[in-house]
Amino acid sequence: GIQVEQSPPDLILQEGANSTLRCNFSDSVNNLQWFHQNPWGQLINLFYIPSGTKQNGRLSATTVATERYSLLYISSSQTTDSGVYFCAVESMTTDSWGKLQFGAGTQVVVTP
Amino acid sequence: GAVVSQHPSRVICKSGTSVKIECRSLDFQATTMFWYRQFPKQSLMLMATSNEGSKATYEQGVEKDKFLINHASLTLSTLTVTSAHPEDSSFYICSASNRGYGYTFGSGTRLTVV
Repeated sequence: GIQVEQSPPDLILQEGANSTLRCNFSDSVNNLQWFHQNPWGQLINLFYIPSGTKQNGRLSATTVATERYSLLYISSSQTTDSGVYFCAVESMTTDSWGKLQFGAGTQVVVTP
Repeated sequence: GAVVSQHPSRVICKSGTSVKIECRSLDFQATTMFWYRQFPKQSLMLMATSNEGSKATYEQGVEKDKFLINHASLTLSTLTVTSAHPEDSSFYICSASNRGYGYTFGSGTRLTVV
């Protein structure tokens, strides 16, 4: 099946800093999403971004589908940005519809 | 936007008992829902695909007799963990597709079997 690798596994930031999280995937995808999992376990959908660039406030994401990677940018980080960031993809193979393959996540800690 | 509601958020049960978890799509119809499991400090793993009006399809290694899935309507899927044991303790989370917006997840259920 499709492989999803996220880097870095852990990230410690001082409040106000910028950062980039990366997601590499091994095959063509129909869907790519970035999620933020808060301390209570809730998965918040940040971006639905199988290709192109999107921005939402201090967050932005870029997916280069032809090169099989996606980047999540966090600017002017705040303590509320702490948590685990997951990249998840849906492969283009016919038996993979709806099946999101998650990366291992990036644990982000933002310190005051 | 799409909202998926999941209940209960937390449940503690005795070993050998069964637990039912509900997943509802509140503002859209979902012919297909998905159930994931997440162990502490790990990523999410797909357990099964719940299809409205038909049998669920399970991922390799998931016991279909232990994890019963029912998708009786376009807005409700249930996961029943039967004869639960401590090793079934985990975070269970459902999702549904809202066309064009990707997949929306419920808030999850933390199951502890004692």
